[in-house]
Amino acid sequence: QVQLQESGPGLVKPSQTLSLTCNVSGGSISTVGHYWSWIRHHPGKALEWIGYIYHSGSSYYSSALKSRAIISVDTSKNQFSLKLSSVSAADTAIYYCARAIGLAAAALDSWGQGTLVTVSS
Amino acid sequence: QSALTQPPSASGSPGQSVTISCTGTSSDVGAYNYVSWYQQRPGKAPKIMLYEVNKRPSGVPDRFSGSKSGNRASLTVSGLQAEDEADYYCSSYAGNTDYVFGTGTKVTVL
Repeated sequence: QVQLQESGPGLVKPSQTLSLTCNVSGGSISTVGHYWSWIRHHPGKALEWIGYIYHSGSSYYSSALKSRAIISVDTSKNQFSLKLSSVSAADTAIYYCARAIGLAAAALDSWGQGTLVTVSS
Repeated sequence: QSALTQPPSASGSPGQSVTISCTGTSSDVGAYNYVSWYQQRPGKAPKIMLYEVNKRPSGVPDRFSGSKSGNRASLTVSGLQAEDEADYYCSSYAGNTDYVFGTGTKVTVL
């Protein structure tokens, strides 16, 4: 059973870049048909899809965040990463990494535990 | 993309059924049969309960079922159990490699 674990700083200063890594264990990040995703959750609000990447390096982003988000993959380490630039307090949220499968990669079948990132000076 | 609309809360007694709605638009829920449902217990990661409207992943009880009509999808939990108390979120593919989630529904087992 695949397991995902997020890691990265819990506190980021405004205007700086948020950087998180998701380590994948129990399965290969290069498996055909699996897309590696980032989602965030502002408490009390809807979950928000950030984007995903395929093992080939092809990445896709939400229209709301594509100007600031970059997702990369390191197949040798079986991990993928998120960088979100020019952060503000509005980016304070719990960030999850997850695996997307199925038609249109619309099913998130495995999730990390999530990591809280606070944007504050 | 605007979030899909869900009722803030729903409740039922053990053994009863509860249905949660998820209302989108003709650009997301109405356009694709790619609606998923997730259960999230406090302090835990979301868990997928249904995908592609009504398909259950391995291990999900058949008490959980889904349907869709027009721009509205629904999740029904039959034979409600105490362990079903959680937040539930829907999501939908919205085209152009974009996805949208619902506002979430807190299910309480009375």
